[in-house]
Amino acid sequence: GAVVSQHPSWVICKSGTSVKIECRSLDFQATTMFWYRQFPKQSLMLMATSNEGSKATYEQGVEKDKFLINHASLTLSTLTVTSAHPEDSSFYICSAPSGTGKPYTFGSGTRLTVV
Amino acid sequence: AQSVTQLGSHVSVSEGALVLLRCNYSSSVPPYLFWYVQYPNQGLQLLLKYTSAATLVKGINGFEAEFKKSETSFHLTKPSAHMSDAAEYFCAVSNTGTASKLTFGTGTRLQVTL
Repeated sequence: GAVVSQHPSWVICKSGTSVKIECRSLDFQATTMFWYRQFPKQSLMLMATSNEGSKATYEQGVEKDKFLINHASLTLSTLTVTSAHPEDSSFYICSAPSGTGKPYTFGSGTRLTVV
Repeated sequence: AQSVTQLGSHVSVSEGALVLLRCNYSSSVPPYLFWYVQYPNQGLQLLLKYTSAATLVKGINGFEAEFKKSETSFHLTKPSAHMSDAAEYFCAVSNTGTASKLTFGTGTRLQVTL
């Protein structure tokens, strides 16, 4: 079945540094990638939608200069958390539709801790 | 706009008992509805989905859900709970279409006791 590989699975970084999270579609072309953020014991909140070859669409309240999304190819989308702060600590998950009538495939998530 | 409401943030059942997780949706267009399961520090795994075909949808691990338009509900059930079913469950809704974004409910944590 369709697989989205997300890396890293966890990362600890210092305040002020940047962190890049990658999501790769392994056996299908992901023209669209959704990026979610999940706080502990809460639901997933959509941050942005990236489309291959175009600018990402950000949800209201999400700082696009802080959460940089790049979708340069049909198999790779990246989320970069710039100048990270402790309040950015969260669980980030990507998801892509794997085809018409097929379910969305989720990455395994990235636990980001900013210290 | 679409939304999903999951009644009950925590549900506890005994092993072997019926599992019922509630989900009500709001949508101005015919919805696609999904149930996902999430284990700690992991991504989401699809249990089942409704895409306007049969109203009773069977999924993996013995779960099923019934789409009831009159009640705007899509409750998840399993006849007999297993310890391995303990996890977080999310109901989600999207517009018809491949690249429609998912809107998630707040989740229900299922606890299974001996």
